[in-house]
Amino acid sequence: DTGVSQDPRHKITKRGQNVTFRCDPISEHNRLYWYRQTLGQGPEFLTYFQNEAQLEKSRLLSDRFSAERPKGSFSTLEIQRTEQGDSAMYLCASSLDYQETQYFGPGTRLLVL
Amino acid sequence: GEDVEQSLFLSVREGDSSVINCTYTDSSSTYLYWYKQEPGAGLQLLTYIFSNMDMKQDQRLTVLLNKKDKHLSLRIADTQTGDSAIYFCAERSNFNKFYFGSGTKLNVKP
Repeated sequence: DTGVSQDPRHKITKRGQNVTFRCDPISEHNRLYWYRQTLGQGPEFLTYFQNEAQLEKSRLLSDRFSAERPKGSFSTLEIQRTEQGDSAMYLCASSLDYQETQYFGPGTRLLVL
Repeated sequence: GEDVEQSLFLSVREGDSSVINCTYTDSSSTYLYWYKQEPGAGLQLLTYIFSNMDMKQDQRLTVLLNKKDKHLSLRIADTQTGDSAIYFCAERSNFNKFYFGSGTKLNVKP
């Protein structure tokens, strides 16, 4: 078991560009979560999947954000037309159905210039 | 969303006990968690407690839950410099959503 992995670990982009992040959950974990963490704050829930179904989306997830999990394994989070306010750490976590705990990946740190 | 609050900073000397406190608002929380985050890293699960328990001990860690006051604490015995990090309290609601506090930065002085 290799844990949750995320790619890339760091991304610097210019305002207006699109970016895509990938998360590979722990194998056989059917729930996958995306969070955003800004400096000095705890993670804020963005969205979560059970298998390939996106079950819930936060109001934080504007129409510039889209997440997919096409085969119920890895997931991608895309941000279109990035803004400076999108600069943050994007964290992915996974868990088994009804498991008590989530396991987090190392995060992707995004800087929008 | 739900409100989870923590004090921002705690400074202790190596070998002392650390107590990090947290309050939450959702009375339907099923599980409460403590996570540790070191600089530039993701969150590491330390321990968790089911909402019908009062206390849980795991080696140097003791979690106390006062459900009536919606107060959670984490005690670290014999604190070491390697314990310096940010500690997050989190609650899991009935709808399987997780809400995190802003984190308590623990500084351990040698």
